[in-house]
Amino acid sequence: GAGVSQSPRYKVAKRGQDVALRCDPISGHVSLFWYQQALGQGPEFLTYFQNEAQLDKSGLPSDRFFAERPEGSVSTLKIQRTQQEDSAVYLCASSSMGSLVGELFFGEGSRLTVL
Amino acid sequence: TQLLEQSPQFLSIQEGENLTVYCNSSSVFSSLQWYRQEPGEGPVLLVTVVTGGEVKKLKRLTFQFGDARKDSSLHITAAQPGDTGLYLCAGELGGTSYGKLTFGQGTILTVHP
Repeated sequence: GAGVSQSPRYKVAKRGQDVALRCDPISGHVSLFWYQQALGQGPEFLTYFQNEAQLDKSGLPSDRFFAERPEGSVSTLKIQRTQQEDSAVYLCASSSMGSLVGELFFGEGSRLTVL
Repeated sequence: TQLLEQSPQFLSIQEGENLTVYCNSSSVFSSLQWYRQEPGEGPVLLVTVVTGGEVKKLKRLTFQFGDARKDSSLHITAAQPGDTGLYLCAGELGGTSYGKLTFGQGTILTVHP
């Protein structure tokens, strides 16, 4: 597709379950970001990949959160033992360049609800 | 404490009115962007400003980056119902060079016909 694709769009999990969220960036985009957006708030940075290398994971809230991009294209954000405070929209964004001069393209997000 | 403070958080106006949204910080940003986000969608870039004092215009929208690169504003002239949405400012702090953005908490704008 032409844009950033995320799946699933909606996920309901019981507390304690593991979830995996997928991001398919725009083909050829070097940079990939994950953000977490709570209801009524701006997105908060989670992690950054340049190709397959995870160069910044300073925003991951706990060791229950893990992200990978093994072949430098598709990325997966995994949350283990989900808790209610993990409920949020998880946004993936990609960019063709490694600097802000390039435009960041966001996907529609995956809305996670933890019961 | 929010690194980027946006105000107001909510704005409800009538069609044809003008409005300004502010984005303030005590930190210096190497660049700043404004996004618009609609429900169920990801943010969409409106503009990027990189030079202190820079002013950019996009139809009825005027964006300004403060001289010290710590603040920015978005001014909309003659608002229309189609302008309704969540407006987000986002900056890249000096010291990072790969597009890591810090977002404000957003301004929810509602324009009534």
